Amino acid sequence: DPKIIQKPKYLVAVTGSEKILICEQYLGHNAMYWYRQSAKKPLEFMFSYSYQKLMDNQTASSRFQPQSSKKNHLDLQITALKPDDSATYFCASSHPGQNTEVFFGKGTRLTVV
Amino acid sequence: QQKVQQSPESLSVPEGGMASLNCTSSDRNFQYFWWYRQHSGEGPKALMSIFSDGDKKEGRFTAHLNKASLHVSLHIRDSQPSDSALYFCAASDLITGNTGKLIFGLGTTLQVQP
Repeated sequence: DPKIIQKPKYLVAVTGSEKILICEQYLGHNAMYWYRQSAKKPLEFMFSYSYQKLMDNQTASSRFQPQSSKKNHLDLQITALKPDDSATYFCASSHPGQNTEVFFGKGTRLTVV
Repeated sequence: QQKVQQSPESLSVPEGGMASLNCTSSDRNFQYFWWYRQHSGEGPKALMSIFSDGDKKEGRFTAHLNKASLHVSLHIRDSQPSDSALYFCAASDLITGNTGKLIFGLGTTLQVQP
């Protein structure tokens, strides 16, 4: 059973629209993250949350907004979508603290046309 | 310049052979290393971590870290077709200890030929 559930698996959006990527984890972790994997680029850290509080934001754009309604949920809202936003977005989680393993979901593949 | 660089970009080994993957960090703030593996259509999954100088062995996998040169390698003994995947080296931040903030390399694609 997948312990980190991401929905949807695939998403096609029109330029300028808004989408929400869903993530829930059932590993009992209190830290959750979003990463982005674009073609020809390394997997890139975007956000980290710990106990539902934003700890780190490495995205330059305010168009990306994480939303944590429950401690095991961390959704990602993306507004004013651009073709450059096309990527696979991975939700991840871990126990808070130093150097514990980070677990990844299967990703949502977003294509902006 | 990327902070974590991996080589080779791709690698093909015969079944039962040894695969060797390399990784170097260019930032002394990133000294804790992880190896992740990603099969097609899946998310990355951690294989092993290495934080101290020397070797660390887990089954068929051995990691080696040289902190002076910030070089880490992964050796896969008795490679199996199921080992065919994209392998990432990832480094975490020594200063903040923010575990979840990993800096990834571009990856090495390993193909194990039956």
